[in-house]
Amino acid sequence: AQSVTQPDIHITVSEGASLELRCNYSYGATPYLFWYVQSPGQGLQLLLKYFSGDTLVQGIKGFEAEFKRSQSSFNLRKPSVHWSDAAEYFCAVGSNDYKLSFGAGTTVTVRA
Amino acid sequence: DAGITQSPRHKVTETGTPVTLRCHQTENHRYMYWYRQDPGHGLRLIHYSYGVKDTDKGEVSDGYSVSRSKTEDFLLTLESATSSQTSVYFCATGTGNTEAFFGQGTRLTVV
Repeated sequence: AQSVTQPDIHITVSEGASLELRCNYSYGATPYLFWYVQSPGQGLQLLLKYFSGDTLVQGIKGFEAEFKRSQSSFNLRKPSVHWSDAAEYFCAVGSNDYKLSFGAGTTVTVRA
Repeated sequence: DAGITQSPRHKVTETGTPVTLRCHQTENHRYMYWYRQDPGHGLRLIHYSYGVKDTDKGEVSDGYSVSRSKTEDFLLTLESATSSQTSVYFCATGTGNTEAFFGQGTRLTVV
């Protein structure tokens, strides 16, 4: 069975500063990896995904993530955050039987 | 949102009553999922479907059942609602590469 750990429950960052959200996964085979974002009262929106190939993937809204197999990690980054990036972020791992497992989420607060 | 509609969006029900949540999709996606979201737990898979009449359990399936009689509809039933089932429920659909598209959620309160 697969699992995802997001070590940081809450991160506060200043507008314009860089952001990195950590994600570690456990899965026996090559994982499918995702980052989703959820604004208050909304559903989840896909930011980016990794299936294979280049380990640095680009997503929407200026986000990128890097897959590191040796560290079982898929950390999300953004060079300069905007106030609109305040939200909850979820890392997820997909398996060959089409199940998607989520981490507990990281809440990002952006201060002016 | 890949044409996913959840109904109702909000519901308050009494302990012990049955409750059915509906997910309707217009994208003809083969895979459909029901998740619950609770603070500190992220999203946890309740049940999923990989085709009409083909369903399987997720990690928190106790007290829930599902049915999928046609491609576009996936129903989640709480057989006898309990307070521990107060949650936000999300439906999702997928095409088979494990990428999922989410509905807007249903907030269920069991009193």
